[in-house]
Amino acid sequence: QSVLTQPPSASGTPGQRVTISCSGGSSNIGRNSATWYQQLPGTAPKLLIYNGNQRPSGVPDRFSGSQSGTSGSLAISGLQPEDEADYYCASWDGSLNGWVFGGGTKLTVL
Amino acid sequence: QVQLQQSRPGLVKPSQTLSLTCVISGDSVSSNSAAWNWIRQSPSRGLEWLGRTYYRSKWNYNYAASVKGRITVSPDTSRNQFSLQLNSVTPEDTALYYCVRSGGPLDYWDQGTLVTVSS
Repeated sequence: QSVLTQPPSASGTPGQRVTISCSGGSSNIGRNSATWYQQLPGTAPKLLIYNGNQRPSGVPDRFSGSQSGTSGSLAISGLQPEDEADYYCASWDGSLNGWVFGGGTKLTVL
Repeated sequence: QVQLQQSRPGLVKPSQTLSLTCVISGDSVSSNSAAWNWIRQSPSRGLEWLGRTYYRSKWNYNYAASVKGRITVSPDTSRNQFSLQLNSVTPEDTALYYCVRSGGPLDYWDQGTLVTVSS
């Protein structure tokens, strides 16, 4: 049972906009920011969004993040076939004194 | 550019100790703005943070409750690396293990090493 809650799956067609949600609590997303990762098959997770809505250099601006209260969300606009991957949210939990993760969302590009 | 490279133990027998080492390049294990983490991933447990070490005038350690008592994360300043020791392993500890820097977010991950616990 993951501390953060994500839908197990999402899908969209090329060009569409897709949103993935992440629900947490007052000790994690409510106090710190949500971070988002993309994991392509056979590779390590890659940082996509941090501090709720910041993108590391090299991440396309099609990826954006937002946060409200104890929930965060990742939006992918102009969906492309190469966006098909698993997406994870994470946050520092001040009560557990550790990083917590969502169970992951498998994004399918139809 | 930060790069992390792990050793590869592969197979560990039940009740024995899992030991992994992560060599850091492009940063220092003694950095005052980074922490050095171990995270594992398995189909049954998903992504699970295990523990970290970081230096802020002194060495600090945090461990996940799920492995506390069995885990030690240690820095090695002479070799610029950090290590994971997990004692009394069971088949449930079979997973892909990652060493990860957090300079704020968990930003640099190594490629992961698969550890199988089996007799």
